[in-house]
Amino acid sequence: QKEVEQDPGPLSVPEGAIVSLNCTYSNSAFQYFMWYRQYSRKGPELLMYTYSSGNKEDGRFTAQVDKSSKYISLFIRDSQPSDSATYLCAMSGRDDKIIFGKGTRLHILP
Amino acid sequence: GAVVSQHPSRVICKSGTSVKIECRSLDFQATTMFWYRQFPKQSLMLMATSNEGSKATYEQGVEKDKFLINHASLTLSTLTVTSAHPEDSSFYICSARSDRGIYEQYFGPGTRLTVT
Repeated sequence: QKEVEQDPGPLSVPEGAIVSLNCTYSNSAFQYFMWYRQYSRKGPELLMYTYSSGNKEDGRFTAQVDKSSKYISLFIRDSQPSDSATYLCAMSGRDDKIIFGKGTRLHILP
Repeated sequence: GAVVSQHPSRVICKSGTSVKIECRSLDFQATTMFWYRQFPKQSLMLMATSNEGSKATYEQGVEKDKFLINHASLTLSTLTVTSAHPEDSSFYICSARSDRGIYEQYFGPGTRLTVT
């Protein structure tokens, strides 16, 4: 079993819809959880981060962590065509090494 | 956020030659730098971690004699792919982290290496 599982998509949704992106993980030592956005042929940029369980909201983005289920989510409200990108979940434990999911390719259709 | 640059952005080289990729943190001091490799539609795979002035720590399966990493200063790290082969063709991304914590890790734009 891979440490981090993420559906690669692609996921296509109409503009204005709510997008739900998810990852599962197996390592219970993970305590830092992050979401990165990566445009084609660019490096990833940090979108959201949370520590341990709970929710965090930033504008149209909401990150959720459920440590009991080893499941994390990113919600995007009022999705825009500019949100089209690959979204990578990432997590880390005490060793500070960041482990990435494969990334989900998201297409927002105008 | 902080800025990390990489140079070159794209390089094509012949099999058997060596290629050097530079990673610079432009507006902060990076106590730790990381090198990743990303194949199409795949995740970022950590190759090695380097701290300024120390030898790099390589992940399992990464040949340290083939991928030479030098972290000479708090703003510069280099990755040299020695005796490159077509299977080394990939997207190489560096990231730099300050001493302010795990979230303060910023990625470069990546270097596309093609070995012919």
